[in-house]
Amino acid sequence: EDKVVQSPLSLVVHEGDTVTLNCSYEVTNFRSLLWYKQEKKAPTFLFMLTSSGIEKKSGRLSSILDKKELFSILNITATQTGDSAVYLCAPFNAGGTSYGKLTFGQGTILTVHP
Amino acid sequence: SAVISQKPSRDICQRGTSLTIQCQVDSQVTMMFWYRQQPGQSLTLIATANQGSEATYESGFVIDKFPISRPNLTFSTLTVSNMSPEDSSIYLCSVMTPRDGYTFGSGTRLTVV
Repeated sequence: EDKVVQSPLSLVVHEGDTVTLNCSYEVTNFRSLLWYKQEKKAPTFLFMLTSSGIEKKSGRLSSILDKKELFSILNITATQTGDSAVYLCAPFNAGGTSYGKLTFGQGTILTVHP
Repeated sequence: SAVISQKPSRDICQRGTSLTIQCQVDSQVTMMFWYRQQPGQSLTLIATANQGSEATYESGFVIDKFPISRPNLTFSTLTVSNMSPEDSSIYLCSVMTPRDGYTFGSGTRLTVV
């Protein structure tokens, strides 16, 4: 059974701090790993990581994948109150009847205080 | 990326009734997925809905409870049948495209009283 573990489960910081969110996974037929930000209902896409060791960046957010050690990290620098959300990681299963299935971690609740 | 219109946005329903959630995509997509997020929990896949075939349900979800239709490549519905308070959740549809990866609809917040 596919397994995804995120840590920490929750994090409280002040504006300007840098945070690192962790995601470890065990997924059969792994293809890529996706990160999402969820503020209300719908998750919004942040990154899709397919190759090991290649950092993807978008503004203050960056992410990297280690396919050997089966984990990914999401970094947010100079945090702002608008970064407060639940951050979800989800490996993409590319095998057989499970093709296209995303298995979500339990999420990291990030709270950024002014 | 694909744009998904999901409705209703929210609803409060009586136990024992059924609710049908609709998702309309602005482009043709082969694969559509329905997820559930119970309060305080992460997203769990209910089923995969491909046009022209029966939906494939994940363990713990059955067609009688969550019937799905997929009449064409841009539309799908999920019905939550014979609802109980335990069905109170956010329901999300999503699509996968080779170029854009995964996109989610805006979600339906269901409360069963």
